[in-house]
Amino acid sequence: DIQMTQSPSSLSASLGDRVTITCQASQDIRNHLNWYQQKSGKAPKLLIYDASNLETGVPSRFSGSGSGTDFTFTISSLQPEDIATYYCQQYDNLPPLTFGGGTKVEIK
Amino acid sequence: EVQLVESGGGLVQPGGSLRLSCAASGFTFSDFHMSWVRQAPGKGLEWVAKIKGDGSEKYYVDSVRGRFTISRDNAEKSLYLQMNSLRAEDTALYYCARGGKFRFDHWGQGALVTVSS
Repeated sequence: DIQMTQSPSSLSASLGDRVTITCQASQDIRNHLNWYQQKSGKAPKLLIYDASNLETGVPSRFSGSGSGTDFTFTISSLQPEDIATYYCQQYDNLPPLTFGGGTKVEIK
Repeated sequence: EVQLVESGGGLVQPGGSLRLSCAASGFTFSDFHMSWVRQAPGKGLEWVAKIKGDGSEKYYVDSVRGRFTISRDNAEKSLYLQMNSLRAEDTALYYCARGGKFRFDHWGQGALVTVSS
């Protein structure tokens, strides 16, 4: 099974800051990676698919990059509504589809 | 508008059974893979099972294979998860999600399953 290692597990940043989360796959997954946002008490929401494609309706301050084993998710300017936990998910070698452990983003 | 509504969660004793349902609307149900994804209290997301649009292929995470069965009724636009031999570690919020081949682009609100004596 492919393991997804996400870091950091939590972070605290100021409004307007640039926030970066990384996800590392245990083997090459090409660009087969998605990013989700989960707000407290809510279902996850797809933000980025195929490593760098913005889902329809998602604000452009969210972006993703990477291929192979190393991926990055960025919020260019942190907003209050971005407080959430973010997950990466691979679909290169399945089953199983696997998620990273999550990154909790808080306001400093 | 795509909608996924889960039902059937509840409290069950270890070794017991439960059947979750997911009613879909707003899209051509038979065109899509469907999955169940769970989240234990305070933990991350774990994919559980997926089924192809025509029901011909089913896949499971190792920890539930042989105990859980995913199925669908395309005429009723419904997805199911039959859970047998439940264990404490199966306690989680179970989400119905559209997708499973590539990405999960729509999610239900979840059904809570608690396994406890």
